[in-house]
Amino acid sequence: LAKTTQPISMDSYEGQEVNITCSHNNIATNDYITWYQQFPSQGPRFIIQGYKTKVTNEVASLFIPADRKSSTLSLPRVSLSDTAVYYCLVVLSGNTGKLIFGQGTTLQVKP
Amino acid sequence: ETGVTQTPRHLVMGMTNKKSLKCEQHLGHNAMYWYKQSAKKPLELMFVYNFKEQTENNSVPSRFSPECPNSSHLFLHLHTLQPEDSALYLCASSQDSGRAKTQYFGPGTRLLVL
Repeated sequence: LAKTTQPISMDSYEGQEVNITCSHNNIATNDYITWYQQFPSQGPRFIIQGYKTKVTNEVASLFIPADRKSSTLSLPRVSLSDTAVYYCLVVLSGNTGKLIFGQGTTLQVKP
Repeated sequence: ETGVTQTPRHLVMGMTNKKSLKCEQHLGHNAMYWYKQSAKKPLELMFVYNFKEQTENNSVPSRFSPECPNSSHLFLHLHTLQPEDSALYLCASSQDSGRAKTQYFGPGTRLLVL
């Protein structure tokens, strides 16, 4: 399974755009890139998933360059409620659904 | 509200007790999972069930015993636990266990073993 590396923590202010980059140098052809969000004492929540180029939904955008060795989660105009841990995962398309969570990035949004 | 419920939300038990955690999903999914999240550690996958059959046991000690009577319910039976088993236990479900399916997590059971 491809290992992911992301910053341990980030700080931002309300209204700013936040970009969290994840590296996954050993990503395989059939792997997808998935991001989850977790608030304290809650289960993780799916944010977005992509394979290549750009994916956008109502919550975030995911940018994946052509070599797919990294990806960037973009959160537009964050608010205090976006303070959470964000996990970048590489998920095999055909395996047993195994998600390997790393330490994630703790995002602190300040007023 | 993710469609995955867990009970109880909090549990305190002694090392000699036997208790069970319950998970129920209302999403029509066929795969269910147990995860453990200890303080300041990443989530660890414990068990995977797909169409009621266990497909993965991530070297979990036998004092944790899962049960999946149908695709909507998942139990984790606990007996003779250790204090280091204190953690947040999370249940998740997905459409099935393959092809990068999104997993939906419940709120978790916060377990304290004394």
